[in-house]
Amino acid sequence: AQTVTQSQPEMSVQEAETVTLSCTYDTSESDYYLFWYKQPPSRQMILVIRQEAYKQQNATENRFSVNFQKAAKSFSLKISDSQLGDAAMYFCGLQGGTASKLTFGTGTRLQVTL
Amino acid sequence: DVKVTQSSRYLVKRTGEKVFLECVQDMDHENMFWYRQDPGLGLRLIYFSYDVKMKEKGDIPEGYSVSREKKERFSLILESASTNQTSMYLCASSSAGFRAQPQHFGDGTRLSIL
Repeated sequence: AQTVTQSQPEMSVQEAETVTLSCTYDTSESDYYLFWYKQPPSRQMILVIRQEAYKQQNATENRFSVNFQKAAKSFSLKISDSQLGDAAMYFCGLQGGTASKLTFGTGTRLQVTL
Repeated sequence: DVKVTQSSRYLVKRTGEKVFLECVQDMDHENMFWYRQDPGLGLRLIYFSYDVKMKEKGDIPEGYSVSREKKERFSLILESASTNQTSMYLCASSSAGFRAQPQHFGDGTRLSIL
């Protein structure tokens, strides 16, 4: 079985500041993938960033980057230069190897203030 | 761009009714998924399908069934709707592959059972 834990139900950040969302996971797979998805209010869930566990280098996508600590089973998301459009629910996800099943955490609601 | 279309954004049904939620994707994806999303619980997988006429139970299949007669369409069926099935339902699709592929989501159907 695989589990994903997001311990921060809500976070708040000021515009232009940096915020880090936490995620820890557990899996018995040696080959797996980690994802961060964003769900804006009343809008479609979209992929933010993806990390392959066999890669040591942390993934980055523009203002979004991850801190992947494999030994600690930690996968945090850092958002730099936060914008109002970053306000959303963020879900951490774990997908094992070739299996298609994706396990999500309970989500973190991010507020961005002026 | 991948388009995953769910037939209804909002749906109100009565207890005991048979309810159909439809999902269509236009990218020839092999894998399709149904999740329900509840506050504080994140996304939980109900059923998924990796091929036409194939289905696999997810984490919470009780009270639900699915149908996949064509590759592009995946239907979720509530055989006899109950109030505890009031929720947001999300459909997703992904391509098959040796490496895990990201999932693409529809807009969701907010279902209320009265």
